[in-house]
Formats: sequence, C-alpha cells, structure tokens
Amino acid sequence: AQSVTQLDSQVPVFEEAPVELRCNYSSSVSVYLFWYVQYPNQGLQLLLKYLSGSTLVESINGFEAEFNKSQTSFHLRKPSVHISDTAEYFCAVSSFYNQGGKLIFGQGTELSVKP
Amino acid sequence: DAGITQSPRYKITETGRQVTLMCHQTWSHSYMFWYRQDLGHGLRLIYYSAAADITDKGEVSDGYVVSRSKTENFPLTLESATRSQTSVYFCASSRLDSTDTQYFGPGTRLTVL
Repeated sequence: AQSVTQLDSQVPVFEEAPVELRCNYSSSVSVYLFWYVQYPNQGLQLLLKYLSGSTLVESINGFEAEFNKSQTSFHLRKPSVHISDTAEYFCAVSSFYNQGGKLIFGQGTELSVKP
Repeated sequence: DAGITQSPRYKITETGRQVTLMCHQTWSHSYMFWYRQDLGHGLRLIYYSAAADITDKGEVSDGYVVSRSKTENFPLTLESATRSQTSVYFCASSRLDSTDTQYFGPGTRLTVL
C-alpha cells in the first residue's frame, strides 16, 4: 500500500520569503510523484510531477521539487513567494502498478502568503 | 468551451434522499475519477473508470454508485444520502493512467441535512 504524509497543515510566510512544503511517501514499489495546487474555490491543477530522470523538477511559476529516494521525500520549494501563491498544495503518489491510475493524496498544506 | 464541468455546483439535500452529481468532459479522456475532499483528509478516491462501462471502487465507495455509459460522462449517485456524505466532490479525468496529469472539475459542494 502507498501513503503520503504532508508534514505541515499550514505554512504562513511573508511575501518574497522562501518556502518549503514537506512531503514524505511510503511505497514498496517505484513511484510517480505529483504536486497539485488548489486556489480558493477552485479545483486542483497540476503544479509539477516526477516520473523518471532528473530528480529536480520545476514548474513554470518558480516552484521546484526534488525527489529523494533514500529519504522517500518530494519537498516543494520556492525561493521567493508572492501573494498569488496563497493556496492549498497537495502532494500525491502513483505507480506503474496502480490499477486505473489512482492517485493517493496527502492531507494538504495551506500556504498563506502575507504582505 | 472544452474542459471538465460538474453540476450542480452547490446542493443541499436531506438525509435519505437520492442525489446525483454530474461530471462531463470534452477531451475524450479514457480515465475518470470521483474524489471527495474533507478537512484533514485531503482528497480520497470514491470511484474510478478506465473506459466506458469499466468502473471500480476506490478507498471510500460505500454509499455511492457510478455509471459510465458514455466516455464523456461519469455521474456519481448517493443512493440514500447521510450527513457523513456532506463534502466537496471533485471529478477528474486523464488521458492515460499512472503518469498522466489529472484534470479536475470545479467541484460540487454537497450539504446533507
């Protein structure tokens, strides 16, 4: 069985400060890892994903995440946040062996960026 | 417009009533999913479908029924609504499984009184 743990339920940060949202997973097989973002009153949208290859993946809006197999982690970072990054962020895991492409989500981290 | 839509966006019903939440996608994606979102639980999979007429249970399927007679539609029915089914429900679709991006609808906020 697979599981995902997001270590912080809420992360308050000031604008232009760096941020890290932590995600750990548990799996006995090789995994694919995702970060989704949910802006207020909207559905989720993909931020970035790791499938294979380079362990550092980047999004178009300045976020990056690094797959660390030994620590079973996929932490999300941004060197300088904006007010518009305020949202809930979900880490999710899948695998080749998942029937039907099911995603297992973490509990979510609410990022609140303050001016 | 192309995309994935859900209806209704908001629904209030009473315990014991049957409720159907609709989901429609215009991409002809093979895979479709229903999740519920509750505080402290993130998103949990209710049902998924790999193609028309192929559906399977997720983590929290008790009390829910789905059908998929057409590729583009994936309705979710609560046969006899209970207060514990008060939640926000999201439909999603993807072209492939496992590695592919899932595209989410805007959600339906359901309140069961």
